[in-house]
Amino acid sequence: QVQLQESGPGLVKPSETLSLTCTVSGGSVTSGFYYWNWIRQPPGKGLEWIGHIFYSGSTNYNPSLKSRVTMSVDTSKNQFSLKLDSVTAADTAVYYCARTIYDILTGYTYYSDYWGQGTLVTVSS
Amino acid sequence: DIVLTQSPGTLSLSPGERATLSCRASQSVSSSYLAWYQQKLGQAPRLLIYGASSRATGIPDRFSGSGSETDFTLTISRLEPEDFAVYSCQHYGASPPYTFGQGTKLEIK
Repeated sequence: QVQLQESGPGLVKPSETLSLTCTVSGGSVTSGFYYWNWIRQPPGKGLEWIGHIFYSGSTNYNPSLKSRVTMSVDTSKNQFSLKLDSVTAADTAVYYCARTIYDILTGYTYYSDYWGQGTLVTVSS
Repeated sequence: DIVLTQSPGTLSLSPGERATLSCRASQSVSSSYLAWYQQKLGQAPRLLIYGASSRATGIPDRFSGSGSETDFTLTISRLEPEDFAVYSCQHYGASPPYTFGQGTKLEIK
C-alpha cells in the first residue's frame, strides 16, 4: 500500500521560506508512471494545485506561484520536496503531497490516487 | 487557465435521497482528465471518480460520474450517512495548472 507523509515546520515567519518534504513508502518516486504533486488548502477554502515533479526533475508549477516555488526530488531517500519563498499570511494552508497517474505515451496526467494526510503551515511572526 | 465552477455551493439532503452535483468548465475538458474527490473534515481528499465516469478502487456503486466537454455531474444515488462531506472536481491533462472547483458541501438536512 502506497503511503505519503508530509513533514516540515508548522510555523514560518513572513518573508521566510516554507520548506516541506514528502516521504513515499510502498512505492518508488523513480517510477515512470507517476508525477508527484503539492496541493494546498487555506483554512475553510478550496484546493489549489501548486505544482508537480517527475523523478527526472522535470517540473510544472502553477503560474500564480511559479516565481516563488521550487520542487526537487531525492531518489535516494524516496522523497520529494517543496520550497515556497517570501511567504505571507496568504500562504497559511494545509499542504498536501499526492501521487498523480502519468501516461508516458500521451504526456498527460490523469488523476491523484494517493494523498498524504496533510500538514498545516501557519505564516505568522 | 481552465476555471471549474461547482454548483450548488451547499446541498442539503436527507439520507436515502439522491444527490446531483455539477462541475462546469470554462472551456472544453477531455472527459479522460476530469476527476472527483470526496473530503471529510480534517481529512485528505479521497479519489472517487476519474475519467469523468470510472469509479476508483473501493468506491461504492452508488457513486457515479457523467458528462463531457464543459458539463460534468457526480451523482450519489442513495445517500448514506458517511456520504455527507465536501466534493471537489479537478481537471488534468496536458496543460497545467490543474485547477479544482471550489467544492460543494453536502450536508444533512
